[in-house]
Amino acid sequence: GGIITQTPKFLIGQEGQKLTLKCQQNFNHDTMYWYRQDSGKGLRLIYYSITENDLQKGDLSEGYDASREKKSSFSLTVTSAQKNEMAVFLCASTRDRASYEQYFGPGTRLTVL
Amino acid sequence: QQQVRQSPQSLTVWEGETAILNCSYEDSTFNYFPWYQQFPGEGPALLISISSVSDKKEDGRFTIFFNKREKKLSLHITDSQPGDSATYFCAAIYTGNYKYVFGAGTRLKVIA
Repeated sequence: GGIITQTPKFLIGQEGQKLTLKCQQNFNHDTMYWYRQDSGKGLRLIYYSITENDLQKGDLSEGYDASREKKSSFSLTVTSAQKNEMAVFLCASTRDRASYEQYFGPGTRLTVL
Repeated sequence: QQQVRQSPQSLTVWEGETAILNCSYEDSTFNYFPWYQQFPGEGPALLISISSVSDKKEDGRFTIFFNKREKKLSLHITDSQPGDSATYFCAAIYTGNYKYVFGAGTRLKVIA
């Protein structure tokens, strides 16, 4: 078995602040994803990475940067936090090109004051 | 634009009844459709999935019915249990590019 770890679990920031969320997986999976989950809007794809050092933009990439430093880790940066923003950011991974099952982490809950 | 739509937004059924959750999509290149189950405070977990070459997939109490011509699918949960109370997401993927699209989810409540 394996696990996806997201840090921090809760993140409180100030308007305009640059904030970084981290994701680690020990599945040895190739592909990793970052999603934003807002209440009533499902999951929206921000960035994904098919393999180490690869980055692909999702539908919601504006206002975010991502970095796949190594196969096991995928970071997401909110470049300028928006006031009153509240969302859960979910990290996921899939094994390889023969498998499309996504394994999700528990999420990072962001609150911007 | 909403590429994957789910209905209803919320659903309440009695224990033992069949819950029916609906999903439709727009892009005909989608060829794989997983359903995820999410409990509060947790990430979603894969429940059951179907590829576009099949019209039905069954796993215990959970069955997906797929209509490729109408671009519609549904998840049937038979003999619903209170432990099935969760949010269910329909997703679609074109396996050529690994890009997932999720619906907004259906919040299911099963009353004992």
